[in-house]
Amino acid sequence: QQQVKQSPQSLIVQKGGISIINCAYENTAFDYFPWYQQFPGKGPALLIAIRPDVSEKKEGRFTISFNKSAKQFSLHIMDSQPGDSATYFCAATFGSARQLTFGSGTQLTVLP
Amino acid sequence: GAVVSQHPSRVICKSGTSVKIECRSLDFQATTMFWYRQFPKKSLMLMATSNEGSKATYEQGVEKDKFLINHASLTLSTLTVTSAHPEDSSFYICSARPSGGVTGELFFGEGSRLTVL
Repeated sequence: QQQVKQSPQSLIVQKGGISIINCAYENTAFDYFPWYQQFPGKGPALLIAIRPDVSEKKEGRFTISFNKSAKQFSLHIMDSQPGDSATYFCAATFGSARQLTFGSGTQLTVLP
Repeated sequence: GAVVSQHPSRVICKSGTSVKIECRSLDFQATTMFWYRQFPKKSLMLMATSNEGSKATYEQGVEKDKFLINHASLTLSTLTVTSAHPEDSSFYICSARPSGGVTGELFFGEGSRLTVL
């Protein structure tokens, strides 16, 4: 019930291409869905987040698409750059403590 | 965004010693802080939830006597790995939730790499 499933495990994209990472969840109590970017040896940094009352959110080259009925959400990185190469985690929160349930992560490599 | 500082970033210790890791929210107050452990190429595993002024809540399978958590102020939480052993070697990350925050945002520290010899 608390699991968030993320795919793919790894992704290789050419510079300028679109990177797409998908997540699915089971617990309908989740009400906040952030994406985090993590570089090696660093802590995760919040990239973009969405709530279930919105189907899409865009910030610069990053877009979250949210499908409440399918319990799925995805991250799209437009015009992917080598500097975007990192590990991306989707997450979801529920409960008053707002603890995060993380997906398993996607290692993105953008080739120059 | 808000800044969470974690110290030390790297620590090497001998087996049997104790190591303390600090997590500070620099520009906001955090009633709740979280401690995670991350293995190479793996996701973050929640270890415990740290609440200011009260005992931490530990996740199943996490030894509370092994990983001591203290959240004595609204800007500081500490994780002490007691009697460390090589299997405790890992990347430990804290996160903090601003008090009164309504967005659900969590801000993460830079992580602490613990190596136990």
